[in-house]
Amino acid sequence: GEDVEQSLFLSVREGDSSVINCTYTDSSSTYLYWYKQEPGAGLQLLTYIFSNMDMKQDQRLTVLLNKKDKHLSLRIADTQTGDSAIYFCAEIGARGGSYIPTFGRGTSLIVHP
Amino acid sequence: DVKVTQSSRYLVKRTGEKVFLECVQDMDHENMFWYRQDPGLGLRLIYFSYDVKMKEKGDIPEGYSVSREKKERFSLILESASTNQTSMYLCASVSGYQETQYFGPGTRLLVL
Repeated sequence: GEDVEQSLFLSVREGDSSVINCTYTDSSSTYLYWYKQEPGAGLQLLTYIFSNMDMKQDQRLTVLLNKKDKHLSLRIADTQTGDSAIYFCAEIGARGGSYIPTFGRGTSLIVHP
Repeated sequence: DVKVTQSSRYLVKRTGEKVFLECVQDMDHENMFWYRQDPGLGLRLIYFSYDVKMKEKGDIPEGYSVSREKKERFSLILESASTNQTSMYLCASVSGYQETQYFGPGTRLLVL
């Protein structure tokens, strides 16, 4: 079945760039997503990329997609303490006529001064 | 803005009790999902619904059932709560555009 893998933890210093990596298996995914979850809250869509793109930039966020290697990354420039959260990578795959997302286990980003 | 609400933020129940978790969305979305989230395991899909009165099992449906009598409301039912169902439960509603998931704030359930 579909699988999405990401590392569990990342620690960075405030002001540095953070790069969170993700690999996925479903080559038919049309969209790939990054969600952010702050403590005690639900997930919130951070950004997404269409599968025919290889890069998307949105202010401090840069998403890179390598479709050949099925590798997705999220780069956060000038990381701030407010960026501390869990980041989930997700892909969408068809399952029984519906489009069902598969989420990675989440990467806990810890930003220290 | 899409709003997804869940009936409780925190819930404490006893083993064997029947538990209802409610989720309501206000954007007329067709698809709704229930997940549970456990540390180190990420989100696991319990059930989803793509229309009123329609439901499909997700990856871990055992011990759960769902109800979708109205489009805006999707309920998760624990028929007889057990301690291994202690978890964070997240509801999501899906926009057809890009299949973006909009999540509720979550219900943290403790079963004693």
